[in-house]
Amino acid sequence: DTGVSQDPRHKITKRGQNVTFRCDPISEHNRLYWYRQTLGQGPEFLTYFQNEAQLEKSRLLSDRFSAERPKGSFSTLEIQRTEQGDSAMYLCASSTEQGADYGYTFGSGTRLTVV
Amino acid sequence: GDSVTQMEGPVTLSEEAFLTINCTYTATGYPSLFWYVQYPGEGLQLLLKATKADDKGSNKGFEATYRKETTSFHLEKGSVQVSDSAVYFCALSERANAGKSTFGDGTTLTVKP
Repeated sequence: DTGVSQDPRHKITKRGQNVTFRCDPISEHNRLYWYRQTLGQGPEFLTYFQNEAQLEKSRLLSDRFSAERPKGSFSTLEIQRTEQGDSAMYLCASSTEQGADYGYTFGSGTRLTVV
Repeated sequence: GDSVTQMEGPVTLSEEAFLTINCTYTATGYPSLFWYVQYPGEGLQLLLKATKADDKGSNKGFEATYRKETTSFHLEKGSVQVSDSAVYFCALSERANAGKSTFGDGTTLTVKP
């Protein structure tokens, strides 16, 4: 297993464009989380999936953000009509259902720059 | 709600110095506690964890003890190396919150030769 993979590593987009990020979790992990990290801060929770079900979304996740996890495998995070405030590192993490005790495996992140 | 407070950085040490990074937390339940490390340009890596009071997590020479009475989980290492230069995040997670984690803002450590 190669760990958690995220694609792309970097994305530069113009304000108002749509972007989509992909995350491939560890195959036996049924939980998948998206976090956002801005400079000088710790990761902030956005949303999580258990298998294919999206069970919780943070208030940080405006209606321009949508996430999917079809078939409980990879996940995508789409941001529509990007704004400069969306510039951040978007981190994906996966875990088993015991993740609360054992912690996450994170991907390397997708760094989004909105110009 | 849950929160994690870390000592502010940056922290600059000479090689072989003793390291302490303070972390305190507030939680509604009985959380598990974690330290993650982030090297430049990379995602976070789990460094160590503790799931109950008085547990000591350890890895790569780093240690932290879960202190319920002081709601703390301070990170220590007896002799740091240049390769330990990174950002360190304290975090907590509660089973009742489906394993969602709350992170501190991170402490940047720079070790000079």
